[in-house]
Amino acid sequence: DAKTTQPNSMESNEEEPVHLPCNHSTISGTDYIHWYRQLPSQGPEYVIHGLTSNVNNRMASLAIAEDRKSSTLILHRATLRDAAVYYCILRDRGSTLGRLYFGRGTQLTVWP
Amino acid sequence: NAGVTQTPKFQVLKTGQSMTLQCAQDMNHEYMSWYRQDPGMGLRLIHYSVGAGITDQGEVPNGYNVSRSTTEDFPLRLLSAAPSQTSVYFCASSYGQGGTDTQYFGPGTRLTVL
Repeated sequence: DAKTTQPNSMESNEEEPVHLPCNHSTISGTDYIHWYRQLPSQGPEYVIHGLTSNVNNRMASLAIAEDRKSSTLILHRATLRDAAVYYCILRDRGSTLGRLYFGRGTQLTVWP
Repeated sequence: NAGVTQTPKFQVLKTGQSMTLQCAQDMNHEYMSWYRQDPGMGLRLIHYSVGAGITDQGEVPNGYNVSRSTTEDFPLRLLSAAPSQTSVYFCASSYGQGGTDTQYFGPGTRLTVL
């Protein structure tokens, strides 16, 4: 699976939108972009994934650049509960390996 | 559904002791895996299983054994604990192994080896 690059940390105020960037310049045409997050003292949890088009779910939105070399996870209104480490992970559509490659992710701090 | 459960939540061992970390899932998932997470780091894969009776090594398998006798359970055995195995251990499961499969993680077991 190709590598991703994320900022080490970001900060936001409560109820403001948060845009978490991820660069993946070596992405292949069959790589899906996944986001997971890890709340303090918990296991990672799935947030969202997409291939080419922007995606929305109840947790977040995923905006994917036209050339797919970068993407942005958007939290529309940050809450204190969104303080977590966010991981951007690429997975090949045809992958049979099952594993997720976790980098260090982005530590998001949300201020009240 | 309880999802993925892990026991114990906390464990302290002395060097050389052995123990088994338990993991169970009630979602009928074929794929299960064990990761470890050291402070300030991402997760690293220890072992995984693509179905009952089938297991394979991940990137950091030394010092650990696994078996998968049922779809539901995937225990991780530490053969002779070492301080380097002090870490947080997470079990995960998913329906399949494909690039679109969502993985579900347990709450973790925090292990300290003295």
